[in-house]
Amino acid sequence: NAGVTQTPKFRVLKTGQSMTLLCAQDMNHEYMYWYRQDPGMGLRLIHYSVGEGTTAKGEVPDGYNVSRLKKQNFLLGLESAAPSQTSVYFCASSYPDILYGYTFGSGTRLTVV
Amino acid sequence: KNQVEQSPQSLIILEGKNCTLQCNYTVSPFSNLRWYKQDTGRGPVSLTIMTFSENTKSNGRYTATLDADTKQSSLHITASQLSDSASYICVVPQGGSQGNLIFGKGTKLSVKP
Repeated sequence: NAGVTQTPKFRVLKTGQSMTLLCAQDMNHEYMYWYRQDPGMGLRLIHYSVGEGTTAKGEVPDGYNVSRLKKQNFLLGLESAAPSQTSVYFCASSYPDILYGYTFGSGTRLTVV
Repeated sequence: KNQVEQSPQSLIILEGKNCTLQCNYTVSPFSNLRWYKQDTGRGPVSLTIMTFSENTKSNGRYTATLDADTKQSSLHITASQLSDSASYICVVPQGGSQGNLIFGKGTKLSVKP
């Protein structure tokens, strides 16, 4: 049982380059999320999805786009990377039930130079 | 303002000792409070979820308490092990919404031999 899988695990980008982070879950969860984690701060929500074909903005959506074409996949795109986007990115998934916890992936460490 | 604050920021203890981590929240309305463990370089893993009506909940050597009146929670670790070295994060959903979690900044615990 793989749970939530993120690819890649590490990436270095130059300012202005684009990339896509892939998140895949095999638990049939309806909800999926993208967070970023920066030193000294709690996890912050970038975008989330409550079902296939739906997306919504979180707390820090600027500079990012997302897509959920299939229930099991949630893609996070950076169209023009900036040094401020250097961070560790975590994908998570869950059932809609408020009493159900999140399952997180192991993260993608992104450095923008 | 909805907030989750944790103390201490960091803690060093000797293997075999007990410790208690604190979480104060001002999130309203309240539905549940979650504790996660995050090992270095890994995603957070759920330890426990506590609802309004639960005062104490245990998961092995981890015991969480909740006082909904004072809006405080604690995580007690008994007979610490080296593998307990991690960040412990307190999380509260905002507005009872699964898609809107408020994360604390975490307590970094180091267990020394």
